[in-house]
Amino acid sequence: DTEVTQTPKHLVMGMTNKKSLKCEQHMGHRAMYWYKQKAKKPPELMFVYSYEKLSINESVPSRFSPECPNSSLLNLHLHALQPEDSALYLCASSHAQGNGELFFGEGSRLTVL
Amino acid sequence: GIQVEQSPPDLILQEGANSTLRCNFSDSVNNLQWFHQNPWGQLINLFYIPSGTKQNGRLSATTVATERYSLLYISSSQTTDSGVYFCAVVAGNQFYFGTGTSLTVIP
Repeated sequence: DTEVTQTPKHLVMGMTNKKSLKCEQHMGHRAMYWYKQKAKKPPELMFVYSYEKLSINESVPSRFSPECPNSSLLNLHLHALQPEDSALYLCASSHAQGNGELFFGEGSRLTVL
Repeated sequence: GIQVEQSPPDLILQEGANSTLRCNFSDSVNNLQWFHQNPWGQLINLFYIPSGTKQNGRLSATTVATERYSLLYISSSQTTDSGVYFCAVVAGNQFYFGTGTSLTVIP
C-alpha cells in the first residue's frame, strides 16, 4: 500500500471546468511535490512545498494553482486547462526538500477535453 | 542542472533472462534512487542507494558515486517486471530524474 494517497485516480474535465487534485501523506514528511508526467517521459517537477511554504515553482502556468493546507495535505487546483495539459499528475513527499527517500502516490490521470 | 542519462532506452527480454540497466550522472550527487513505474503509472521505490550494493530478491543495485554511475540488475525476469525504470539523483536540494529505460518482458 502506498503511503501517499491521491484522489481522484482519474479525472475528465472540460476547458472551462474548475477541479482539484488532492494528496495526503502520513509519514511526517515536511516536503511535498507535484510532478507532471507524459507517457514514457520522466516526471517533470511543477511545485515544491517545504514546511508548508512554496519553495519551487517551475514556471508553471497560472491555470495550475497549488495549495498546502497543512503538513500532510497538498492540493492542485485546476482551472481553464488546455488539452495539452492532459497527463499523469503525481504527488510525492520526502523527509525534507531534496533530503531522504522520495515516495510517490499512485497518480491522477487527467484528460482535458 | 545535473544531467542524468539512462541506458538502454528500450529493452525487450524473454521471460527468465537477466538484464542490466545503467544510470549515468554528470556531477556529484547526495543520493540516488531506482523506481519501477508499472503499466498503471505508479512509481514504486526499488532502491535508495547513494553508494555500495543492495539486493532485494531478484533485483540488486550498485552505485559507484566516485565514477558517477549506478547499475540495476534484474535476474530471472518475469512479465510483471515490465514497465519503465527510472533513476533519480539528489544534487543540492533537488531531485533529478533520468531519461528512463522501458522494459518489456515477453512470455
